[in-house]
Amino acid sequence: GAVVSQHPSRVICKSGTSVKIECRSLDFQATTMFWYRQFPKQSLMLMATSNEGSKATYEQGVEKDKFLINHASLTLSTLTVTSAHPEDSSFYICRGKEGTEAFFGQGTRLTVV
Amino acid sequence: AQKVTQAQTEISVVEKEDVTLDCVYETRDTTYYLFWYKQPPSGELVFLIRRNSFDEQNEISGRYSWNFQKSTSSFNFTITASQVVDSAVYFCALSGNNDYKLSFGAGTTVTVRA
Repeated sequence: GAVVSQHPSRVICKSGTSVKIECRSLDFQATTMFWYRQFPKQSLMLMATSNEGSKATYEQGVEKDKFLINHASLTLSTLTVTSAHPEDSSFYICRGKEGTEAFFGQGTRLTVV
Repeated sequence: AQKVTQAQTEISVVEKEDVTLDCVYETRDTTYYLFWYKQPPSGELVFLIRRNSFDEQNEISGRYSWNFQKSTSSFNFTITASQVVDSAVYFCALSGNNDYKLSFGAGTTVTVRA
């Protein structure tokens, strides 16, 4: 099946710094990328949806200036957590869509200390 | 609005027992998709099944089976003869036809004891 490669798988950063998470669709063109967040022992919640070449659409309650999403090409989308704080510690996972199929990346576990 | 309810928070069974995970959904869409994912401790989401709203046939894949009952808005998942490797969090999810956004249930943690 199609693969979405997400990096890094784990990252620890200091409070106040920024972290970039990349998702690459390896064998398909992801016209749409969904970004989800999962706090410990909770379910996954959609943060934002991005279409290639367009600005991302954020779900209610998600700060667009804090979670910067770039989807400049059909094979790469990035999520940058700016000025990260401990409460941003979470599991972030992307899901790339082409046509009627969509595939998750492996996820990134972010710990802000 | 879409909503998925997984009422069972945790299930613990002994190896070789069967375990059924319940999933009830709400949607106003006439066409929609239902999913089950497995999330082992490592965190990645493992796709198990996708079912569209027009296909009410039950499905069996090895030790896994799914029962889709549109009349009761349920899409239950059974693991037969459970194994320790089945220990994970299982999520039921729903998406509408037009946006492919997934709404997840709260998840059910399955622990299979040897």
